[in-house]
Formats: sequence, structure tokens, C-alpha cells
Amino acid sequence: SAVISQKPSRDICQRGTSLTIQCQVDSQVTMMFWYRQQPGQSLTLIATANQGSEATYESGFVIDKFPISRPNLTFSTLTVSNMSPEDSSIYLCSVIRDSRTEAFFGQGTRLTVV
Amino acid sequence: QKEVEQNSGPLSVPEGAIASLNCTYSDRVSQSFFWYRQYSGKSPELIMSIYSNGDKEDGRFTAQLNKASQYVSLLIRDSQPSDSATYLCAVIFSGGSYIPTFGRGTSLIVHP
Repeated sequence: SAVISQKPSRDICQRGTSLTIQCQVDSQVTMMFWYRQQPGQSLTLIATANQGSEATYESGFVIDKFPISRPNLTFSTLTVSNMSPEDSSIYLCSVIRDSRTEAFFGQGTRLTVV
Repeated sequence: QKEVEQNSGPLSVPEGAIASLNCTYSDRVSQSFFWYRQYSGKSPELIMSIYSNGDKEDGRFTAQLNKASQYVSLLIRDSQPSDSATYLCAVIFSGGSYIPTFGRGTSLIVHP
């Protein structure tokens, strides 16, 4: 398994501001991802965080809105920029140690934009 | 488009019964299959992984994989109210990406 620390666990933010979410893993992992989960819905992949290079974004998500960093093999951040109420959701960090093995999740960040 | 399909439920079973959760996927060549449990307000936690045809048992949980029919199921024996949660099926499709694709999840309610 993997021990994943995700911060903050929740936040209430004003519209137009930005929030940075941090994800720290206890040891090196092959892959790190960021998901969004809206109430009652399944997981939507935002992007794959690539170590030392730009993240790979899924359709419908752009770097200007969701900038992602991954400076090393154990840490990543996701920023939700210029927030609107539609960004209210749970954001999840996920990691995979080896190709084709299990994904593990951080505790999630519950974001409310007012 | 590679997809993972689950009935959203809710599936309601009495305490002590067997709960059967099903999942179908679109790519016959897929190799890696996972079941996650997600309690309300919490993040998904891994229950089972299965990679080859047949059954895999872990305590009260049994995962069943049938690649020819492209389905994977999860059986929960002696269901308990604490098993009430949403169960997510995930598949890593073949073709280079190692990113799991998740189904929408099935809500399970175990009533006393």
C-alpha cells in the first residue's frame, strides 16, 4: 500500500481566489494523479502529474485552470484557480507504485466555493 | 471509448445475506481489475484486485473475473450494516496507459 497525506482536508473559499492542494507520499511512486468527485458522482480524472515536466490533462481540463506540479517522485500539488461555485467538489490525489497495480488515494480535499 | 459499467443501485440486502455487485467493461484484452469501497464523505479504499480468470477470496469478499464475458463481480458474504457504502469497479485497460478507469459505483445498503 501507500501512505498518502493530502492537505487541506477541506476548505471554504471565495469566488475568484485560488487554492493549492498538496499530496505527499511516504515513498517513491511511479504515477500520481488528480481526480475530482462531485456529489453523488464517480471519479473524474483531471490529469496525470509528471515528474519534472508538464502534467497530462484529460479532456475538459486545462493547465490555466488546474496547474499541477510534481517536483519529485513523492510530492505533487494541484491548484484550483479563479474558483467559481462550480468548482465545489472533492479533489483526490491518487498514486500507483508499479504499472498495472493498484491505485491508492489520499484522504481527499472537500472544497466549497462561495 | 473504453468504459466500465455498473448499476448505480441502490442494492438493498438484509444483514447476513450475500451481496452481489457486478461490473462490465468494454475491452476484452484488459488485464487488471479492482474493487474499491467508498463510504460517504471518505476517499475510496481498495478491497480486492484480480488479474486472472476465476475467483479470488479474501475473508468475506470474493472477486470473480470472466474475461471472455468481460465482467467482474464482487460477492460479500454475511453482509453487515458496516458494509453499506458505494462500491467502485476499476479497470486498467490495455494499450499503454496504466491509469484505472472507474465505474460510477453501486450503492449497497445492508439493513438490519
